[in-house]
Amino acid sequence: GAGVSQSPSNKVTEKGKDVELRCDPISGHTALYWYRQRLGQGLEFLIYFQGNSAPDKSGLPSDRFSAERTGESVSTLTIQRTQQEDSAVYLCASSIPGNIQYFGAGTRLSVL
Amino acid sequence: QKEVEQDPGPLSVPEGAIVSLNCTYSNSAFQYFMWYRQYSRKGPELLMYTYSSGNKEDGRFTAQVDKSSKYISLFIRDSQPSDSATYLCAMSGSGGYQKVTFGTGTKLQVIP
Repeated sequence: GAGVSQSPSNKVTEKGKDVELRCDPISGHTALYWYRQRLGQGLEFLIYFQGNSAPDKSGLPSDRFSAERTGESVSTLTIQRTQQEDSAVYLCASSIPGNIQYFGAGTRLSVL
Repeated sequence: QKEVEQDPGPLSVPEGAIVSLNCTYSNSAFQYFMWYRQYSRKGPELLMYTYSSGNKEDGRFTAQVDKSSKYISLFIRDSQPSDSATYLCAMSGSGGYQKVTFGTGTKLQVIP
């Protein structure tokens, strides 16, 4: 595709519900990253996928957070039993490994 | 202490002014230094990147890196209202996969 695509663009959910966020990377980009951006704060690294290698999950804040990626295509970030502190913009980026990261517009998650 | 420190602003300047945005860092292993621009409700887009110390110029934008002081700057000449955005500095090490560490971002407003 022309760029990194994320869906939904906005998600409002109730505390305790599960949510699934989707990222479609740029075609040919084998590296994919998820970040969280809280209001007024910088980007917080969550997880990194590179090809068929084991993902770097070191940034996931708790076991309620998980992510999957099939091959070099779509990735989904799942947050189980959402809490109010999970409210943030979740950004996905893709790149050729070691190269510039291109970001999607993000999913704005609001947990009520 | 955060690895990357960036003044959140907001910074408000008149059109045509020279803008100076800065970040300090503590990790001496950082070798790649990047500036991203983020418009409201959009993902970050890469403006400039430099490797190691030195200056890099691209049109109205100049990036400077002083590794001895662990200090990086982005200068914007002849600022325009369209430059109004949040500017994030970002840094990483070199060699293979390296996590990128982002600053919190400085919000800039250029007043016509």
